[in-house]
Amino acid sequence: KAGVTQTPRYLIKTRGQQVTLSCSPISGHRSVSWYQQTPGQGLQFLFEYFSETQRNKGNFPGRFSGRQFSNSRSEMNVSTLELGDSALYLCASSLGQGAANYGYTFGSGTRLTVV
Amino acid sequence: AQSVTQLDSQVPVFEEAPVELRCNYSSSVSVYLFWYVQYPNQGLQLLLKYLSGSTLVKGINGFEAEFNKSQTSFHLRKPSVHISDTAEYFCAVQTGASYGKLTFGQGTILTVHP
Repeated sequence: KAGVTQTPRYLIKTRGQQVTLSCSPISGHRSVSWYQQTPGQGLQFLFEYFSETQRNKGNFPGRFSGRQFSNSRSEMNVSTLELGDSALYLCASSLGQGAANYGYTFGSGTRLTVV
Repeated sequence: AQSVTQLDSQVPVFEEAPVELRCNYSSSVSVYLFWYVQYPNQGLQLLLKYLSGSTLVKGINGFEAEFNKSQTSFHLRKPSVHISDTAEYFCAVQTGASYGKLTFGQGTILTVHP
């Protein structure tokens, strides 16, 4: 079956712009989590959605937001981009209920470069 | 809050030699433990996970890990590595109440030399 699909794969934006990233989870998975990966800070949790509700949120400013649709697809948005937002953004999906029992499947990520 | 420390940032090893990647965690509650591998320009692939039960966990590609509660460790081992095992490895923990949130270590770059 198809894995977690993230689009676009690469993105270049200018400071001050906003960006929207998309994630399609594995069919049947209802939980989607987002992570930011940078060389300095490593992998950091952004937020998690389950059945269109945000259940958990990491320590990121309000410029970072997300949503989940009824088909479990998720988007994350970053407004007023800063140079420090340049990172690999990873999406992970799971069945969601007692999620740790099922493990997380990650997508290949979206590489965002802010210039 | 929980935290994860991967004790080695880089581990060089020769092909067919054994390897151990070390991971220690800190948490005031019970945790679930994971090891992921990341190849260049790719996402994370789950190698193995410990949820409960036997403390020795076997994963894909010949990897295994042992959960040691008293030492709060979850070290990853492979008896004989291949060139294709060259990658970055991440240890991660999750608590039962933290929906969707994995806390990752800083990663260990494993380089296998011929």
